[in-house]
Amino acid sequence: NAGVIQTPRHKVTGKGQEATLWCEPISGHSAVFWYRQTIVQGLEFLTYFRNQAPIDDSGMPKERFSAQMPNQSHSTLKIQSTQPQDSAVYLCASSWTGIAEQFFGPGTRLTVL
Amino acid sequence: KTQVEQSPQSLVVRQGENCVLQCNYSVTPDNHLRWFKQDTGKGLVSLTVLVHENDKTSNGRYSATLDKDAKHSTLHITATLLDDTATYICVVGAESSSFSKLVFGQGTSLSVVP
Repeated sequence: NAGVIQTPRHKVTGKGQEATLWCEPISGHSAVFWYRQTIVQGLEFLTYFRNQAPIDDSGMPKERFSAQMPNQSHSTLKIQSTQPQDSAVYLCASSWTGIAEQFFGPGTRLTVL
Repeated sequence: KTQVEQSPQSLVVRQGENCVLQCNYSVTPDNHLRWFKQDTGKGLVSLTVLVHENDKTSNGRYSATLDKDAKHSTLHITATLLDDTATYICVVGAESSSFSKLVFGQGTSLSVVP
């Protein structure tokens, strides 16, 4: 069991460019969560999928951020027209169900210059 | 308003010493509380989970308590090792009807020195 896989581990983009972050949940897990971690705000919930369907995206910024889960083996977080304030570590987690223990990936460190 | 507050923000101890980390929260409902360890540049690793009023857990050198009335938890690390150097994050699960919405503390940065 490789655990939750996130790629890339590090990504550097220029202001205004698009960034796509990938998450592969643990096989068999039906729930996928995305979080953002910054020094100032700490860890914040972004969005949650269950059985590939978006359930709660209350933490997602309304503009430029979108998340998808096209199949049970991966989810993507896309940030359009990246801004320096988007720089953060983006963590993905998965669990058997929405209320079971969440297992976290190593995160993708996004740096927007 | 910070819903999960951890103290101290940072802590330095000598290898072999014990330490105590504190977590106070105002999250409601507080379904469960979990302590995570986050090594620099890595994901979160669960150390222990507390569910019930006055729960106490033990996982090797880590032990934790939960007082739901006071909305307070402690994490004790005994006989610290250099590898214990990390950020320790207190997380409260505020369970909705369908999933556990996790509310995170800012973390306590622990440095264990020789």
